[in-house]
Formats: sequence, structure tokens, C-alpha cells
Amino acid sequence: NAGVMQNPRHLVRRRGQEARLRCSPMKGHSHVYWYRQLPEEGLKFMVYLQKENIIDESGMPKERFSAEFPKEGPSILRIQQVVRGDSAAYFCASSLRPPTVTGNTIYFGEGSWLTVV
Amino acid sequence: AQKVTQAQTEISVVEKEDVTLDCVYETRDTTYYLFWYKQPPSGELVFLIRRNSFDEQNEISGRYSWNFQKSTSSFNFTITASQVVDSAVYFCALSGGNTDKLIFGTGTRLQVFP
Repeated sequence: NAGVMQNPRHLVRRRGQEARLRCSPMKGHSHVYWYRQLPEEGLKFMVYLQKENIIDESGMPKERFSAEFPKEGPSILRIQQVVRGDSAAYFCASSLRPPTVTGNTIYFGEGSWLTVV
Repeated sequence: AQKVTQAQTEISVVEKEDVTLDCVYETRDTTYYLFWYKQPPSGELVFLIRRNSFDEQNEISGRYSWNFQKSTSSFNFTITASQVVDSAVYFCALSGGNTDKLIFGTGTRLQVFP
């Protein structure tokens, strides 16, 4: 499967625990985006990363959330000390090229559903 | 500011009916892109189409067609002869300027009954 791979697909955490969501972009893609979908809502941009760099984190909550995309390995979205309001679907997307005036098609993974109990 | 409005929260049709999903957008960018994605009950997001702001030609792909009208800032999606497998939430999205960051609408849930 050459698509965007996310794991785990479903994750249950107790309040106060940490959640780690992983994303392997499509083969050859080095640009990764994370979006959050709260129940019954559309997707909201969180962060845009290139390898080893955070380019735009304007949608990330100021506390408890962090993201990385190391030189080797998948991109990780980390949520510390989870609360019930963090329960959502987290989608990763990737693109082949950096943003340009000609635009890119963004391909999404299957999502990771986080439930905080 | 950029914004995407999908005023139809939920639509129900019977199989073989045609259905149109509305999408209205706001942007100050002169170059922008519009997308439609499908989210079936299984949850994944499936890319359907990307259209740039300079191309107002309508597009048809099988039973799917898209009507882009800059004059009304709309990018509507029509499914002809709907099928039960079309049941899903459909999202319209916008990106603009020199960024691939997508602004999503709140989605339209389509239910197709046999």
C-alpha cells in the first residue's frame, strides 16, 4: 500500500496519559500535515512539517500538543496529559512538493481515532 | 479570511435520484484551489477532485460532476443516479496563496436509501 499510513487506527487513553499517533507519508513525499476532526465537525489544520522542520504550527494548541517529522521514520503527533476534549479523529496528509503557486494534491491517511476515557 | 460553507448538513435521497451538494467559499487570494473529499462510514478521507481558480470548466467523472462558478464563489458537486455506496460525508475544502493548508467546510452527510 503506497498510501499515507497512520497508526494506531484506534487508541484509547485515560485522562492524564500520553497519546502518540504515527504517520508515514506516501512514498517520496516529504511534506506532512496533521488535521483534527472533532465529532460532527469538519477537519481543522493543526501543523505542517517537512523533514526535521516545523513549518507552520498555527493550528496547534499551545500546550500539551507537539509534532515532529524526523529525518528517518514516521511523523509523530504527541498529546501529553490527554483530556476528554482531545477525543477526536486525527488525520495525517502528505504531499510530494512544498507549497507552490500551482498547488498540490493532498492525500490523507485513514485517520487515528483517539478516545479519552 | 478564508472560509468554506456547506449549508446542507444532511441530505437523504432514494437510490437513482440525482443529488447536488453545495459549497460556497470565501477567499481574497487570486490563485486558489478547491477540493472535494468523501468520508465513508469507515472513516477514511478519499480525494475526489482538485480544481484551480483559473479553470472554470465543469468536470465530469462517471456519475460525478462538478460545477465551478467564480461569479457566485461556488463549487457544487452533483452525483447522478445515486447509489447506496455513495452514502458518506462529503467535504469541500479550499487552499490558497502559497500554502497547501486546507480550510474545510463542515461537511454534508448524504444518505442514499435503497
